[in-house]
Amino acid sequence: EVQLVESGGGLVQPGGSLRLSCAASGFTFSDHYMDWVRQAPGKGLEWVGRARDKANAYTIQYAASVKGRFTISRDDSKNSLYLQMNSLKTEDTAVYYCATSSLAFCGGDCYRYWGQGTLVTVSS
Amino acid sequence: SYVLTQPPSVSVAPGQTARITCGGNNIGIKSVHWYQQKPGQAPVLVLYDDSDRPSGIPDRFSGSNSGNTATLTISRVEAGDEADYYCHVWESSRYVVFGRGTQLTVL
Repeated sequence: EVQLVESGGGLVQPGGSLRLSCAASGFTFSDHYMDWVRQAPGKGLEWVGRARDKANAYTIQYAASVKGRFTISRDDSKNSLYLQMNSLKTEDTAVYYCATSSLAFCGGDCYRYWGQGTLVTVSS
Repeated sequence: SYVLTQPPSVSVAPGQTARITCGGNNIGIKSVHWYQQKPGQAPVLVLYDDSDRPSGIPDRFSGSNSGNTATLTISRVEAGDEADYYCHVWESSRYVVFGRGTQLTVL
């Protein structure tokens, strides 16, 4: 059974930092693209970024809204995805999900599997 | 930047057919994916690559994509289908775009 479990959310002041983790199990993590998607309270889904696999040089892609402030990384030896968030703004308040799909399924471009999400609140 | 346009809400009576559209410039040449999200839950993939259903999704869910509009069709709507629905594409393999979501109300 595929499982994605996010952790690390919490309350942080504007300008602060937070690191989220996503622990994966039930599939071959190393050959999956892994994405972060967020959802502000009462709002829609917003893509944060993607970590591609080794075969794609571990390329990282970011949404314009977070580029330069957020850093995505992965550790295939730990089956884990990370999101380092710096210079946080109140508008970064959201539930952060990690999501993935097999490359053999929609070319890895849809999200067959989602975690339960972790809430990040940026407030003074 | 690429924009996906969805109606904010759609209402339908039980047993009827709901159609949720997702408009985008030449969206017909892209692969469109659809998600269902119920309150307090993570999204669930209901259609991928325009019209394919993941295992476990009933065949009441179908999709089409042509020109500037992709459509999610839910036949024989049930009360349990009430949720927010989002369309999703990759733009030129550079970034992801989601529609703003459509709230489906079952009357």
